[in-house]
Amino acid sequence: DSGVTQTPKHLITATGQRVTLRCSPRSGDLSVYWYQQSLDQGLQFLIQYYNGEERAKGNILERFSAQQFPDLHSELNLSSLELGDSALYFCASSEGKTSGRDEQFFGPGTRLTVL
Amino acid sequence: AQKITQTQPGMFVQEKEAVTLDCTYDTSDQSYGLFWYKQPSSGEMIFLIYQGSYDEQNATEGRYSLNFQKARKSANLVISASQLGDSAMYFCAMREGLDFNKFYFGSGTKLNVKP
Repeated sequence: DSGVTQTPKHLITATGQRVTLRCSPRSGDLSVYWYQQSLDQGLQFLIQYYNGEERAKGNILERFSAQQFPDLHSELNLSSLELGDSALYFCASSEGKTSGRDEQFFGPGTRLTVL
Repeated sequence: AQKITQTQPGMFVQEKEAVTLDCTYDTSDQSYGLFWYKQPSSGEMIFLIYQGSYDEQNATEGRYSLNFQKARKSANLVISASQLGDSAMYFCAMREGLDFNKFYFGSGTKLNVKP
């Protein structure tokens, strides 16, 4: 158990809908990361937050947004869902160091299926 | 150009033997970090080992070692004395950029350990 929790574990929804994925980082970690893992694209970095502020942005679509709250949990909002958004969404957390070893610990993921 | 390249989509190894999983990376930064993660069939991502670009010694963590060849830009993972539980997907990853704020994962190598 990595200490990172994600809810829900599975989510099935329809095209055009909006969903929210939730992540709670390990105790003491200030940074949260979101990743998308789909069969044809591998693991893609979406966005990173550090202590409530956006720190880095990857391949995140405009239809997607995220935030990190004062208690450090994070939410990833996906809107106007398309079939291609079906994927495993991982949250990871780390201390948030900007150099050296700062390994990320991953949650169990949320499996999103868009029908 | 791909930032992380894993050229072995799948590999087989006999139990108790050693195996090397290849990873090459592309960066023009002097400071960067390299990671390996394991993803069993259950789906979670497990951190295995880290190598910093300035580390002179190859990293080791138990049965895992990282064969770091900086001039060749390769960071191969060596698993000694393979066990059946090592059967999984293995991902090579890199952090680079200002404040280490860019993250890239390879496409993965599926390792099967045969009894």
